[in-house]
Amino acid sequence: ELKVEQNPLFLSMQEGKNYTIYCNYSTTSDRLYWYRQDPGKSLESLFVLLSNGAVKQEGRLMASLDTKARLSTLHITAAVHDLSATYFCAVDMASGSRLTFGEGTQLTVNP
Amino acid sequence: NAGVMQNPRHLVRRRGQEARLRCSPMKGHSHVYWYRQLPEEGLKFMVYLQKENIIDESGMPKERFSAEFPKEGPSILRIQQVVRGDSAAYFCASTSDRVEQYFGPGTRLTVT
Repeated sequence: ELKVEQNPLFLSMQEGKNYTIYCNYSTTSDRLYWYRQDPGKSLESLFVLLSNGAVKQEGRLMASLDTKARLSTLHITAAVHDLSATYFCAVDMASGSRLTFGEGTQLTVNP
Repeated sequence: NAGVMQNPRHLVRRRGQEARLRCSPMKGHSHVYWYRQLPEEGLKFMVYLQKENIIDESGMPKERFSAEFPKEGPSILRIQQVVRGDSAAYFCASTSDRVEQYFGPGTRLTVT
């Protein structure tokens, strides 16, 4: 059974600081997704990583995938308050299969 | 191109009633997934459907829950005889290329 673990689960940081969220998964896969969820809202797709070594950046967020280590990271650069949200990583085993989600990382960026 | 649509957005049911949740995928998408999110938790897969076919229902509770995606019309997730533990947000997602799933706004079910 595929397991996906994120850490930390809660992250409180100051504006302007950098931090990294980690996503580990238990079974070989080269398909990993990052989503953002605001309270009471749906999931917004941030990144789709489909190969070993994939790196994608959008604004202050950068995601990478190491399939050999079964690890993805979401790096936050110079955090701003607007980034406060819950971030989920998710893995699927093959095209068309279900997504298995991590528990989510609740990020709070303090002014 | 409208996104994934779900209705109702909020649904309140008394214990023992039926809940019917609808999902209209994005135009051109023929694959639909249903996920459930309990309070303060991540999303858990329930069922994967294509038009008129259930592909994977391994995440569905064996009793009271059913899903369909007819040839015409939205996908429907049906919960019979709801209990308080069914209170959750139910999200559907759709895809055309079986790579990226696009999520709807969710239906928040409250069982009183």
